[in-house]
Amino acid sequence: DGGITQSPKYLFRKEGQNVTLSCEQNLNHDAMYWYRQDPGQGLRLIYYSQIVNDFQKGDIAEGYSVSREKKESFPLTVTSAQKNPTAFYLCASSKRDNKNQPQHFGDGTRLSIL
Amino acid sequence: AQSVTQLGSHVSVSEGALVLLRCNYSSSVPPYLFWYVQYPNQGLQLLLKYTSAATLVKGINGFEAEFKKSETSFHLTKPSAHMSDAAEYFCAVRRRGGSTLGRLYFGRGTQLTVWP
Repeated sequence: DGGITQSPKYLFRKEGQNVTLSCEQNLNHDAMYWYRQDPGQGLRLIYYSQIVNDFQKGDIAEGYSVSREKKESFPLTVTSAQKNPTAFYLCASSKRDNKNQPQHFGDGTRLSIL
Repeated sequence: AQSVTQLGSHVSVSEGALVLLRCNYSSSVPPYLFWYVQYPNQGLQLLLKYTSAATLVKGINGFEAEFKKSETSFHLTKPSAHMSDAAEYFCAVRRRGGSTLGRLYFGRGTQLTVWP
């Protein structure tokens, strides 16, 4: 079955450390997205990419970086510059001409600070 | 920017009672509208979407939503709640046209509790 795989499910970060969250999809979708979810705040967009080798900042990109070298993969790096990284991170994908097409979501990665 | 408002961060109903979760959007042109459900420690699952073909949209798990342009609303309902409906529900919008590159704007979510 096609879908989105996020790994790991749980991740711990030490102070001053960069960590990378993996997101892989086999839906043949062009567009991919990263969201951060905090209690009571809904989903906030970090970065998104419509095609390979291109991506745009979302609403809360500071302290994060991404790459899009392959259509199937959109890894997110949480850098040491992100001072409050504890959150639930969700990756999503959709068709590029996606007007009324929904985004499909992975099962998330929960990041905590040690 | 698009704005989506979900009235009520928590809604509690008894099993078998009507479920009503509210969503209002703020744009002059009706956007594409979506409802998602999230169970604990999982991703979001699409319940239904509005695309302008019909104002009453039926989704999975017995949920439906009615688009009302005059009220800029897209409220989610289910006639009879089940214990398994307990989850968090998100309304999301996507602007028609423009250069928003397909991004969705999400409401803050409504946590639904179902009492036995």
